[in-house]
Amino acid sequence: DQQVKQNSPSLSVQEGRISILNCDYTNSMFDYFLWYKKYPAEGPTFLISISSIKDKNEDGRFTVFLNKSAKHLSLHIVPSQPGDSAVYFCAASHGGDDMRFGAGTRLTVKP
Amino acid sequence: GAVVSQHPSRVICKSGTSVKIECRSLDFQATTMFWYRQFPKKSLMLMATSNEGSKATYEQGVEKDKFLINHASLTLSTLTVTSAHPEDSSFYICSARDHRRPNNEQFFGPGTRLTVL
Repeated sequence: DQQVKQNSPSLSVQEGRISILNCDYTNSMFDYFLWYKKYPAEGPTFLISISSIKDKNEDGRFTVFLNKSAKHLSLHIVPSQPGDSAVYFCAASHGGDDMRFGAGTRLTVKP
Repeated sequence: GAVVSQHPSRVICKSGTSVKIECRSLDFQATTMFWYRQFPKKSLMLMATSNEGSKATYEQGVEKDKFLINHASLTLSTLTVTSAHPEDSSFYICSARDHRRPNNEQFFGPGTRLTVL
């Protein structure tokens, strides 16, 4: 039962341009959403999060948008840098309970 | 910030043997820890939730007799893969919940690469 879905397994972007990673969820009870970045052979590192009471959260080059009616969130990275190349996981939880992860999207930022 | 460590980072074992992986919260107490498994080109799959002083809660499809979890203290949880098979080869990641932080934020360990020959 995949409650969190990232339908794009990969994304390639030119350095300096915007990267947009998408995530959809099915459980309307989710109230907290997170994005994690993961390099090969390492654990995920927290990137940015958003509560369901907000529709946007910004932190430097990273912005997360939440559309509750569509059960959709997205991560915008602008400008994209080669060091952003990694796998990005979307995660969701309800009441601080166990996180459910999407399948991940591999972002490649080309110099 | 909150730091979670895992040991070992990489382990190779023979089929049929048991392997223990440790997860430690270094600078905070974690009443709840989680164990995840990452399959190639797939998502992080939650295996079980480990609560200090009580039995772990396993996700559907995860064999509790095969993946033994012990959360004996507020800073340590262990995952023991018993009678390991080649199909158990995977990347295992733990996370610890810091209840002091908003939304019970979880922090991940660096992961353990298990290879069963």
